[in-house]
Amino acid sequence: GQNIDQPTEMTATEGAIVQINCTYQTSGFNGLFWYQQHAGEAPTFLSYNVLDGLEEKGRFSSFLSRSKGYSYLLLKELQMKDSASYLCAVRGGTTDSWGKFQFGAGTQVVVTP
Amino acid sequence: DSGVTQTPKHLITATGQRVTLRCSPRSGDLSVYWYQQSLDQGLQFLIQYYNGEERAKGNILERFSAQQFPDLHSELNLSSLELGDSALYFCASSFRDRDSSEQYFGPGTRLTVT
Repeated sequence: GQNIDQPTEMTATEGAIVQINCTYQTSGFNGLFWYQQHAGEAPTFLSYNVLDGLEEKGRFSSFLSRSKGYSYLLLKELQMKDSASYLCAVRGGTTDSWGKFQFGAGTQVVVTP
Repeated sequence: DSGVTQTPKHLITATGQRVTLRCSPRSGDLSVYWYQQSLDQGLQFLIQYYNGEERAKGNILERFSAQQFPDLHSELNLSSLELGDSALYFCASSFRDRDSSEQYFGPGTRLTVT
């Protein structure tokens, strides 16, 4: 099975940087996804990592270490609109789990003026 | 707007009933995924179809079933509904199969079982 942990809530100031950590335990691995979800809305795809290293997309970056079962999402130059829940999801990679997604509970980021 | 459409937006029904949720993927996408999101369970992966075939199965109850049609739209059927089935149901799509590197969610269907 898969177990995904991420902090429940983080608070940061507008213009600052916030790093959301995600650790996972999985019997197989076929990619890690980050999504943003505003309250009452659908998740929005942010990033995907399948190999170790950093992926950068504008103000958002995501890092993966497969050996450590660890990823982080970095949000730079925070804006008020970045206040949302951020979901970490792992896709399974064993015969039994191939293609199955497991989501963390989400990290609520609160951006203050 | 992700390009994924879901109908209906809201659905209110009684316990024991059966409902069908519909999803149309983004133009060109071949994969459709179904998810359930409730306050206590978070986002749960239910099932994935690729070009009409079931490809991955998550925590989908036996009372639930899905299919993807030749025109690539998908339907999720929920039967013998219970109060605990009240949730947001999301559909998502991608071009590729189980190695897709992105996924786009529809606006969701809010199901309330009374």
